[in-house]
Amino acid sequence: NAGVTQTPKFQVLKTGQSMTLQCAQDMNHNSMYWYRQDPGMGLRLIYYSASEGTTDKGEVPNGYNVSRLNKREFSLRLESAAPSQTSVYFCASSDVRLSGNTIYFGEGSWLTVV
Amino acid sequence: AQSVTQLDSHVSVSEGTPVLLRCNYSSSYSPSLFWYVQHPNKGLQLLLKYTSAATLVKGINGFEAEFKKSETSFHLTKPSAHMSDAAEYFCVVRVAGKSTFGDGTTLTVKP
Repeated sequence: NAGVTQTPKFQVLKTGQSMTLQCAQDMNHNSMYWYRQDPGMGLRLIYYSASEGTTDKGEVPNGYNVSRLNKREFSLRLESAAPSQTSVYFCASSDVRLSGNTIYFGEGSWLTVV
Repeated sequence: AQSVTQLDSHVSVSEGTPVLLRCNYSSSYSPSLFWYVQHPNKGLQLLLKYTSAATLVKGINGFEAEFKKSETSFHLTKPSAHMSDAAEYFCVVRVAGKSTFGDGTTLTVKP
């Protein structure tokens, strides 16, 4: 059971480059999330998708876009990367009916913008 | 509105001694509360959760947490620390689909 799978694991970008982080879950969850984790700051929500076809901004959406491609997949795009976007990114999923209130996380993507 | 405060950013214990990681929360509604553990370069793994059933919650790897409404606390404990417990621990409050994470507590276990 793979759970939540995100790629790539590590990426180095130059300022101004674009990239997409991919995420897929195999638990049939309705809700999916993208978080960023910075030292000493816990996790902050970038965007979320409560169900297929919907997306909403979280706490720190500036500089990011998302696409809920289907029920399984939720991608995060950086259109023009900035050093402030150097962080660890986590994709997650949940479903009130299937997982109660529990959120399940991927392994993380370490992004460095130079 | 909801918030969560992890009272210690770093905790250091010796192997075989008890672990206490403290978490206080605030919420206008009855919350669900979680503890997650994160080992280096890994994702967050669920340790345990409280969802309005028993106030003493048992989790994986010998961890427990007690929900105390009067104190708005959800402290994580383990009777005897193991070297493999060294990690970052996050307390999370979740209300109406919104999750708020604490800043994390780094647990160091000394041999």
